[in-house]
Order: sequence, then structure tokens, then C-alpha cells
Amino acid sequence: KAGVTQTPRYLIKTRGQQVTLSCSPISGHRSVSWYQQTPGQGLQFLFEYFSETQRNKGNFPGRFSGRQFSNSRSEMNVSTLELGDSALYLCASSPTTRDTQYFGPGTRLTVL
Amino acid sequence: AQKITQTQPGMFVQEKEAVTLDCTYDTSDPSYGLFWYKQPSSGEMIFLIYQGSYDQQNATEGRYSLNFQKARKSANLVISASQLGDSAMYFCAMREEQTGANNLFFGTGTRLTVIP
Repeated sequence: KAGVTQTPRYLIKTRGQQVTLSCSPISGHRSVSWYQQTPGQGLQFLFEYFSETQRNKGNFPGRFSGRQFSNSRSEMNVSTLELGDSALYLCASSPTTRDTQYFGPGTRLTVL
Repeated sequence: AQKITQTQPGMFVQEKEAVTLDCTYDTSDPSYGLFWYKQPSSGEMIFLIYQGSYDQQNATEGRYSLNFQKARKSANLVISASQLGDSAMYFCAMREEQTGANNLFFGTGTRLTVIP
């Protein structure tokens, strides 16, 4: 079974731009969660989706948003990028909301 | 307060030796899950082992075992017979299950270096 895939793997943007990151979960997994990893703040939870519904959201500003499609694929969007948004964005999927989460390789975003 | 504490920023271990990575947690939720993930330099988080708060026995997965001491709120990872490929960051994480949320709280990680 293919693992979680994330595209793109690397991204360079400038301040003020917006960005969309994509995540394809493991086949059959309906829960998708997003995390941000930075050297200063570590790993922080962004949001969780299940059956196209956002179930839970972390403590991030409204510039961070996401959605999930009927095929369980998920996207996250960051608008008006700031330097501090530079991070590794990790997507994780699980069959349901009670199972172990399996992570993708991440998207490394650099904001200049 | 930190929900997950990993007090060892870095650890060294000789190849073929065993090593213990420490993790303590803090929660008032009676039902929770504890996880360990490995993150090589490539960035991907690799799931290693899971322990449920009501599990009576310590979890084991191949060379990985979790030393779960509920009263002390600790969930240490033991890696036996270390290999060079074990060099990576290791993260302890917790999910509080009474809330129904699926988000993980992570510790700050421990960088393990295996010496040949």
C-alpha cells in the first residue's frame, strides 16, 4: 500500500503570497491531520479532517485554512505568508479518528 | 504546562547496545494513547510503537519496547541492539482520547546518534 504523499516537497515563497499544500492519505484512510514543525516551536497541530469535515483546529491564525475532499485528499492553504511560516508541514492519515497516524514526507516551505 | 516532556536533547549509543529514551507526560484524561515516532534527516515521521493507557502489558515491536509506568506518568522507549540506521530524532507523542480529538501532542524530541 502506498504511503501518505505530499506535494510539493519543497516550496519557496515571498512574504505576502499565499500557498496551497496537498496531501493524499493512505488508501482507505479517512482522517487527515496537519502539523507544523519549526525549530523554535517544535511540532504543533494545525487541524484535523474526517469525512470532509474539520473536527479540530489548533491555535493558529485564520490565515491557515484547510479542506478535505470526498476522496479524503486534503489541502491546506496559508494566505499572506509571513517569515515565521517557514516550516516543515507534515500531513498524517489514519483509518478513523481513533487510530495511529501515519505521516507523509512533509512539505518544506521557505518564506523569503 | 507541557503535556509531553523529553529531557534528553541528545543521546549517544554504541552500535549493538541498548538505549533508553525518556518521556514523561501530563494529562488529566483517564484515557490516552502514547506514541513514539522516528524522524530521520529526510523529515518523514515514522511510527514506531503505541501504548494505550489501559493496556496492562508494555508494548513491543521488534527491537522497540515501551517501558510504561503509569503511576510515574512515564513512557520510555527502549531500543535494543542499536543499529547505525537508528540515528535520528525520536519524538514521544500523546493523544487524549476522552475529548474525541485525534490530535497528537509532541515532545521536543531526542536526537539519537549511534556510534560504530
